[in-house]
Amino acid sequence: GQNIDQPTEMTATEGAIVQINCTYQTSGFNGLFWYQQHAGEAPTFLSYNVLDGLEEKGRFSSFLSRSKGYSYLLLKELQMKDSASYLCAVNNDYKLSFGAGTTVTVRA
Amino acid sequence: TAGITQAPTSQILAAGRSMTLRCTQDMRHNAMYWYRQDLGLGLRLIHYSNTAGTTGKGEVPDGYSVSRANTDDFPLTLASAVPSQTSVYFCASSDSGGSINEQFFGPGTRLTVL
Repeated sequence: GQNIDQPTEMTATEGAIVQINCTYQTSGFNGLFWYQQHAGEAPTFLSYNVLDGLEEKGRFSSFLSRSKGYSYLLLKELQMKDSASYLCAVNNDYKLSFGAGTTVTVRA
Repeated sequence: TAGITQAPTSQILAAGRSMTLRCTQDMRHNAMYWYRQDLGLGLRLIHYSNTAGTTGKGEVPDGYSVSRANTDDFPLTLASAVPSQTSVYFCASSDSGGSINEQFFGPGTRLTVL
């Protein structure tokens, strides 16, 4: 089976940094995705990690440790538009297993 | 480029009725997927298709069927809807020959079964 855990909610202040953790126990692993989903909209791709280490893309960074079954998404210089749900998903043979998502609320 | 389109946007359906949710992509992606998203449970895979002419079962396939007659279309059918199928349904596609294989999602169909 697939077990992917991430916190339900996080709140942070505009301009701050927030780290969203994701732990996983899955039957297979071909990589880990992070998606962003605004309320009432479709998920959109943020980042992908297949090897251990940090991937940086502008204000967003994602880290992976395969031996620990652990990833995090780091959001820097938070903006109000970053208020959304962030979904961790494990790629297993091109099929994705998603965590329940972390709702991030950015406050002024 | 439209990407992925889904129809209808929303629907209220009586229990026991059948319904087909439509999904079309214009990116020539070989793989397509159907998910349902429920509060607190996240996205769960219903069915998938790695290429035209083939389909497979995901995590929650019961009560749903799919077909993949061509590359672009991947309809999802509920033969006899039940209230537990009330959900938001997302179709997605990916190019499994790409380096990242990220999935692109359609706008979703909000289905209420009464």
